[in-house]
Amino acid sequence: DTEVTQTPKHLVMGMTNKKSLKCEQHMGHRAMYWYKQKAKKPPELMFVYSYEKLSINESVPSRFSPECPNSSLLNLHLHALQPEDSALYLCASSQDLYRGRGTEAFFGQGTRLTVV
Amino acid sequence: AQTVTQSQPEMSVQEAETVTLSCTYDTSESDYYLFWYKQPPSRQMILVIRQEAYKQQNATENRFSVNFQKAAKSFSLKISDSQLGDAAMYFCVLGQGGSEKLVFGQGTKLTVNP
Repeated sequence: DTEVTQTPKHLVMGMTNKKSLKCEQHMGHRAMYWYKQKAKKPPELMFVYSYEKLSINESVPSRFSPECPNSSLLNLHLHALQPEDSALYLCASSQDLYRGRGTEAFFGQGTRLTVV
Repeated sequence: AQTVTQSQPEMSVQEAETVTLSCTYDTSESDYYLFWYKQPPSRQMILVIRQEAYKQQNATENRFSVNFQKAAKSFSLKISDSQLGDAAMYFCVLGQGGSEKLVFGQGTKLTVNP
C-alpha cells in the first residue's frame, strides 16, 4: 500500500463552522505533513509531525489546529476560517528522515476547501 | 536560504516529441536531494524522478531523465516520446538531508498537443 488517503475530497464550510480534514497512511512512515496550495502555485508547508510530535509549525494561524493521534493518522482541525483560507490542502508522508534520508514524500489527493 | 527557480511558467510539446523543463536551485548544504513531481488536474502530486546530489550519474526513469549539473546548480527534466498523460504542472523540488522541509519551485505547466 503506497497510498496517502485524504477525506473528504471536497468541503464547503461557513466561517463559523468547525470541521476536520483527515489523512491516513499505512506505509510505516514516521513523518507527516500538511501543505496548503492555492491555484497555480506550489504547495506551502504548514505543519510537520515527526514520530507523532509536532516538529514544524510554519507560523500558521491558530484557526488551523493539527493533531497526530497515531503514526498512521493526521488530522487538521478547522475553526473560524476566512474566505482567503479557501485552497487545496494536501497531506503527505515520508519515511523516517534519519533512517531514510532523502526519500520522497508521498502525497494524498488533497481536500478542496471552500470557505463561504 | 534554499531556493528553486523554474523559469518557464508554461511549455507545450507535440505528442511523441521531446521536451526539456528547466530548473536551477541554490543551497549551501552538501547533503541534498532533488526531485521532479508532476501534478495533473486530478490534483495528486506524483514523484517523477529523484536525484541524490552525491551521485554523478543522471537519474533515468523510463521516458524521463534528468541533466544534473551540480556546479551550475541546474537540474533539468527531459521527457521523451511525450504522451497526452504527461500533461500536468511539474514542480522541481529541493530536499535537504535530515530535514523535513521541501523547497518547491513555482512550477511549469506542460501541455501536450495531439
